[in-house]
Amino acid sequence: EAGVVQSPRYKIIEKKQPVAFWCNPISGHNTLYWYLQNLGQGPELLIRYENEEAVDDSQLPKDRFSAERLKGVDSTLKIQPAELGDSAVYLCASSIQGGIQYFGAGTRLSVL
Amino acid sequence: AQTVTQSQPEMSVQEAETVTLSCTYDTSENNYYLFWYKQPPSRQMILVIRQEAYKQQNATENRFSVNFQKAAKSFSLKISDSQLGDTAMYFCAFQGAPYFGNEKLTFGTGTRLTIIP
Repeated sequence: EAGVVQSPRYKIIEKKQPVAFWCNPISGHNTLYWYLQNLGQGPELLIRYENEEAVDDSQLPKDRFSAERLKGVDSTLKIQPAELGDSAVYLCASSIQGGIQYFGAGTRLSVL
Repeated sequence: AQTVTQSQPEMSVQEAETVTLSCTYDTSENNYYLFWYKQPPSRQMILVIRQEAYKQQNATENRFSVNFQKAAKSFSLKISDSQLGDTAMYFCAFQGAPYFGNEKLTFGTGTRLTIIP
């Protein structure tokens, strides 16, 4: 069975440019998470979806970040415009509700 | 809010030896889950072991075991017969009881473990 798939693996952009990350969760997992991992730190939750509904987005900087999970499967996280401080690893995870979270390999974003 | 503290930024141990990674946490909840995740250079977080707070028995998974001290809010990971493939960042994580809707993981800052050949 395929795990959580994220793309791209790496992204380099100039500041003020837009960027998008894509996540395909494990089949059957209704809960999807986006985490932000800064260098030398543990991941921190940005947003959690239950099916199509964003049930916890309290840590998502809504002035520049947006996310969607159409049809309750794949999800996209977008940053517009990107800032230098957004350079980090963006991790996606999925789970059955209340179950163990399984992570993808993440997208490493570098903003120049 | 819950906090997770890992006080050992880096550790190293000879191959085949035993190593223990420390983790403490703070919560007012009674039911919760604790995890150890491993993150190799590939960046993918891999679950090592999970402990349910209402279970007194310490969890074990092959060479990995935990020492869960609920009253002390301590959750250490012991790796026995360490192997080169164990080299990675190890994160301790807390998750509140899911039926309260608090399903996010709260992570510590990690311990970088190096296994020396």
